[in-house]
Amino acid sequence: EAQVTQNPRYLITVTGKKLTVTCSQNMNHEYMSWYRQDPGLGLRQIYYSMNVEVTDKGDVPEGYKVSRKEKRNFPLILESPSPNQTSLYFCASSFSRVERDEQFFGPGTRLTVL
Amino acid sequence: QQQVKQSPQSLIVQKGGISIINCAYENTAFDYFPWYQQFPGKGPALLIAIRPDVSEKKEGRFTISFNKSAKQFSLHIMDSQPGDSATYFCAALDTGGFKTIFGAGTRLFVKA
Repeated sequence: EAQVTQNPRYLITVTGKKLTVTCSQNMNHEYMSWYRQDPGLGLRQIYYSMNVEVTDKGDVPEGYKVSRKEKRNFPLILESPSPNQTSLYFCASSFSRVERDEQFFGPGTRLTVL
Repeated sequence: QQQVKQSPQSLIVQKGGISIINCAYENTAFDYFPWYQQFPGKGPALLIAIRPDVSEKKEGRFTISFNKSAKQFSLHIMDSQPGDSATYFCAALDTGGFKTIFGAGTRLFVKA
C-alpha cells in the first residue's frame, strides 16, 4: 500500500531531551516536507527536501533539524525540545513539486514537551 | 502574520445546504491553490486545486472559485452531507512549488 508512515505517533518528553521523529514513504517520491499544526494557525512548514541531500528551511525552522540521506526517509530532529514545540507534526511527500503533484500526508505525530 | 487568511473559523450547515469557505492571499507570486480536507486523527488530504489562470474548477460537489484581481478564492460544497464534516484548509504554493502556505482552517459541521 502506498503510504507515508511516521513514528512514533504519540510522544511525551521533557525539555532538553533530544528526540527524532521518523518519516518514511514507499512511493519513490522526490519531495518530502515537515509541517506542524497548531490550533488557529493551520499547518506551518518546518523544512522540506527536494531530493536526497537537498534540504531547505520552511517558515518555522528554528529548533529543528532534518536530514535526507535516503530517498524514502526524512527524519525530524529536535536537539533540545522546548514546551513551545508541543504540537501535532505531519510529514508529507510528493513525486514532484515542479508539476504540482499531490502531496500525501502521514498520520501525524502528537508531541508534548513538558 | 498569516499570508493566507481563511474564514470562517467554523461553519454549521444543514444537510443539503451549500458550505462556503473563503481565503485571501497577498503574495502575487503564489501560483497554485489547493484545498485540503482533514478528518479527526488523520493527516490532510488533497480535495481539489486550481491555478490562477482559471476562474473556476468543479469536481463533483466541490467547486473552487478564483478571483485573481481580488486575490481571493473560495471553496463551495454543494449538497453538503454529514460525511463532509471535517476541517478544511486552503493553501498556496510559491513559484517553484517547494513552499506551501496554509490558511488557519475551517471546521465544518453538517447537521443531519
